[in-house]
This record gives sequence, structure tokens and C-alpha cells, in this order.
Amino acid sequence: DSGVTQTPKHLITATGQRVTLRCSPRSGDLSVYWYQQSLDQGLQFLIQYYNGEERAKGNILERFSAQQFPDLHSELNLSSLELGDSALYFCASSVAGQGVPYEQYFGPGTRLTVT
Amino acid sequence: ELKVEQNPLFLSMQEGKNYTIYCNYSTTSDRLYWYRQDPGKSLESLFVLLSNGAVKQEGRLMASLDTKARLSTLHITAAVHDLSATYFCAGLIQGAQKLVFGQGTRLTINP
Repeated sequence: DSGVTQTPKHLITATGQRVTLRCSPRSGDLSVYWYQQSLDQGLQFLIQYYNGEERAKGNILERFSAQQFPDLHSELNLSSLELGDSALYFCASSVAGQGVPYEQYFGPGTRLTVT
Repeated sequence: ELKVEQNPLFLSMQEGKNYTIYCNYSTTSDRLYWYRQDPGKSLESLFVLLSNGAVKQEGRLMASLDTKARLSTLHITAAVHDLSATYFCAGLIQGAQKLVFGQGTRLTINP
């Protein structure tokens, strides 16, 4: 158990809908990262937040957005869902934000199925 | 842009044998990580390699890093069935915090 929690574990929804994935980092970690894992794209970095501020952006679609709240939990919002958004979404956390790289600890993931 | 490539992508081996998974990366990376993933599960950190010549071992797994060749290897010694999983290597983009993953190597160890 990494100490990173994600909810829900599974999500099934229809095309065009909007969902919110939630992540709570390990105690003391200020950075949260979101990754998407799909069969065709592999594991891809989406976005990073550090202490409430966006720090790095990857291949995140405009239909997706994220935020980190004052209590450091983070939410990933996916809207206008398409079949191709079906994937496993991981959240990871680490102590550091920028400069000194620290190990990232991954949560159990949320499996999103869009039908 | 950092690119990470693993080979082989699929590996089926017998218990008791040795084998190596290779991870090549395209540009300088601050760190090189190895993760294990069981089907439908999260990523479990195995090794973090920090500098050239770094070697780390845990049980039957040993990872090494050659920054000049931009190559990391994960060596499996006397494989056992419990090591069946998908193994990912990942580089860390210099100055940033995002991990760039390889495609993963699906390892199946047969009795």
C-alpha cells in the first residue's frame, strides 16, 4: 500500500458525460501527478500540481482539467467523454515539486469505461 | 524530448533461467526508475537509479544504469513464477517532474 488513495475504483459512464476522479496523496506529500494508462497509448503523464499550483503539463486533452485543493487532495475532471477515454487513471504523489526529483508513489488507479 | 524504449516487449521464460530486460532512453534523464505492475493493479516501485554505474539488487532482480550509453538493464536471476508481471522503466525529464515510461515488458515465467 503506497498511501495514495483514489476513488472511485471503477467508473462506467456513457459518451458525452462528465466524471470526476479523486486522489488523496500520501501524508506530507505536496505534489500530485496524474497519469493515463491505455492499451494503445501506454502510460502517459497528464498533469502535475504542487501545493495547489499547476507545475507541469503533459498530453492532457482540453476536455480534461485538474485541480489541487488546500487540503492537497486533487481531482481530475473529464468531460465530453469519448470511447477512447476508457483507460486506467493513476494518481501519484511525491514530496517535491520542482528541482530535486523524488520518488513518485502511485495510487491503485481508477478504471474508467466509457460506453 | 525524452523517449524511452524497452525490449523485449514480451518475454516468456522458464523458471530457473536468467534473462535481461533492456531500457534505452533518448536524452539525458535525471533518474531512471523501474516499476512492476500486476494485471489490473497499480505500479510498484522497484528501483531508482541515480547516477552512472549505479547498481541495485533486490532478491532475484538487479538493475543497473549506464548514462553514457543511455541504457538501463533489469536482470532476472533464476526466475520464479511470482516474478510474472509487466515491468516498466521510466526516465525523469531534466528539470521537471514528469515520468516518461517505456512500453513495458510483459514477463511470463512458466514452471
